[in-house]
Amino acid sequence: NAGVTQTPKFQVLKTGQSMTLQCAQDMNHEYMSWYRQDPGMGLRLIHYSVGAGITDQGEVPNGYNVSRSTTEDFPLRLLSAAPSQTSVYFCASRSSESSYEQYFGPGTRLTVT
Amino acid sequence: AQKITQTQPGMFVQEKEAVTLDCTYDTSDPSYGLFWYKQPSSGEMIFLIYQGSYDQQNATEGRYSLNFQKARKSANLVISASQLGDSAMYFCAMRESTDKLIFGTGTRLQVFP
Repeated sequence: NAGVTQTPKFQVLKTGQSMTLQCAQDMNHEYMSWYRQDPGMGLRLIHYSVGAGITDQGEVPNGYNVSRSTTEDFPLRLLSAAPSQTSVYFCASRSSESSYEQYFGPGTRLTVT
Repeated sequence: AQKITQTQPGMFVQEKEAVTLDCTYDTSDPSYGLFWYKQPSSGEMIFLIYQGSYDQQNATEGRYSLNFQKARKSANLVISASQLGDSAMYFCAMRESTDKLIFGTGTRLQVFP
């Protein structure tokens, strides 16, 4: 049971490049979310999903796309990277049967130059 | 409107003493959950404690307790018998009836010998 895994751990992009941050969980959790954490701030919700085929926007969705074709995977796509997207990105998941057990991945540190 | 407010950017406490980290929240949803997470310098998010809006008693988990005052909309974290390993960032978060988890800006706790 690997929990929530994120790849890559670190990434450097040039402005305008695109990439996909991967997130996977092996706990059969319905709910998955993406957050970003900027220096000195808490986590802010980018997008979330309550099940395969269902996604919705969080606080800061602009510049990011998501899709949820399977229960296990929830990739986050940066279409055209900007320096303002330099951040640490966390993926999280939880079961619909638990009110509070939210599992976080280890994070991806992204730098856009 | 900011929904989670943590007014203490930093706190110091001596080892073995108790410390209270403040958190106030704002919501019109009668059903919500309140969380505290710890983020050590290694970066991972560690779940500490959860309080549901309908829970009658304050939540406790080992040395952590949540002082829930619903009328005042506060959910302060109390750490008893502080240890050096408690030095970290602490985040308060709230989830309403959707699956959106909203975080405060955090409090950096430093425990000194």
